[in-house]
Amino acid sequence: AQSVTQLGSHVSVSEGALVLLRCNYSSSVPPYLFWYVQYPNQGLQLLLKYTSAATLVKGINGFEAEFKKSETSFHLTKPSAHMSDAAEYFCAVSAPTGANNLFFGTGTRLTVIP
Amino acid sequence: DTAVSQTPKYLVTQMGNDKSIKCEQNLGHDTMYWYKQDSKKFLKIMFSYNNKELIINETVPNRFSPKSPDKAHLNLHINSLELGDSAVYFCASSSRGVPTEAFFGQGTRLTVV
Repeated sequence: AQSVTQLGSHVSVSEGALVLLRCNYSSSVPPYLFWYVQYPNQGLQLLLKYTSAATLVKGINGFEAEFKKSETSFHLTKPSAHMSDAAEYFCAVSAPTGANNLFFGTGTRLTVIP
Repeated sequence: DTAVSQTPKYLVTQMGNDKSIKCEQNLGHDTMYWYKQDSKKFLKIMFSYNNKELIINETVPNRFSPKSPDKAHLNLHINSLELGDSAVYFCASSSRGVPTEAFFGQGTRLTVV
């Protein structure tokens, strides 16, 4: 079974500060991991994905995440927050077999303070 | 062109009614999904379809039934709507094979009164 846990339902950062959103996974098989972003009243957009290749994954809008097997983590970071980054962020896991269903974390709302 | 489109975007209906939400994807994907997002923003898979065949059915009430006339469409029918069905429903699609990312529609906000 696969699951993810996102620590912190709300994170606030100042504009220009480092963004760190935490995600830990649990999987009985090597997982595939994703970060999605949801802007208000919109669908989910893929930021980046880990596919068992490079452990440091770069995504859109300057975001990146590092897969750490020893810590079962896949934290999302961005060096400098922009106002436009304010949104809900979801970590998700899927198994490399079966229906490719995504199992989502509970989400982290990012607020950027000017 | 919108990759995954859902209609309607908003749906307000009374308890006991039957309603449908339509979903279409123009990405040529083989698999389509329905996810439910509750009031706390939690997203949970409801169904997935691969080549018109239901391949997973999570423990959702049988009042919910997905119907796929072809691989570009996956509609969601809901019978005897209940207050607890109020949520945002997202359609998504992905291509065959792993790893695969899912492309999501804009969502349908269902409110049962």
